[in-house]
Amino acid sequence: AQSVTQLGSHVSVSEGALVLLRCNYSSSVPPYLFWYVQYPNQGLQLLLKYTTGATLVKGINGFEAEFKKSETSFHLTKPSAHMSDAAEYFCAVSRINNRKLIWGLGTSLAVNP
Amino acid sequence: DGGITQSPKYLFRKEGQNVTLSCEQNLNHDAMYWYRQDPGQGLRLIYYSQIVNDFQKGDIAEGYSVSREKKESFPLTVTSAQKNPTAFYLCASSTTAPNTGELFFGEGSRLTVL
Repeated sequence: AQSVTQLGSHVSVSEGALVLLRCNYSSSVPPYLFWYVQYPNQGLQLLLKYTTGATLVKGINGFEAEFKKSETSFHLTKPSAHMSDAAEYFCAVSRINNRKLIWGLGTSLAVNP
Repeated sequence: DGGITQSPKYLFRKEGQNVTLSCEQNLNHDAMYWYRQDPGQGLRLIYYSQIVNDFQKGDIAEGYSVSREKKESFPLTVTSAQKNPTAFYLCASSTTAPNTGELFFGEGSRLTVL
């Protein structure tokens, strides 16, 4: 069965430092991959997605992610963290047969001044 | 602007009461979903509907019911049979053509059972 693993339920970085949130998936064929962000008491907002084509995907708010098939990974990065980046981040992969999303458990990002 | 509207944003209920959460979308999406979110457990699918008058159970449907009488609306009823209903509930929608799985979310409804 397909699954998504987000390494680290809590990540803390200093303002201006690199943000790296890890996501690994299990799938027999390349899936569609997503990163969503959730601010407190709000819904989820799409950061970026990989469907086909270029493996380095750029999203909103300066985030990007690279699809690495050989490593079955889709890690999210941002060169310089901002206080406003503090939120919960979810990685998801769409099921091959019906495109329903399988979710990681989320990573809470804290940004310290 | 197109989007998904959930109401109410906060809801309190006494044990034994049924409550209905509203979800309306004007994105002209065919598919709609209800998720439950608990701290540290990610998102769990309750019900989904891919077309009017049809819906399917997700992973945690027990104690919940839905209807899909209109394309724009997908209300969720949390029944008294749901043993632990306190949670954050998220409604989402998606297109089916093309179907990449991408979801668009509402702002959520937080239900607290007193």
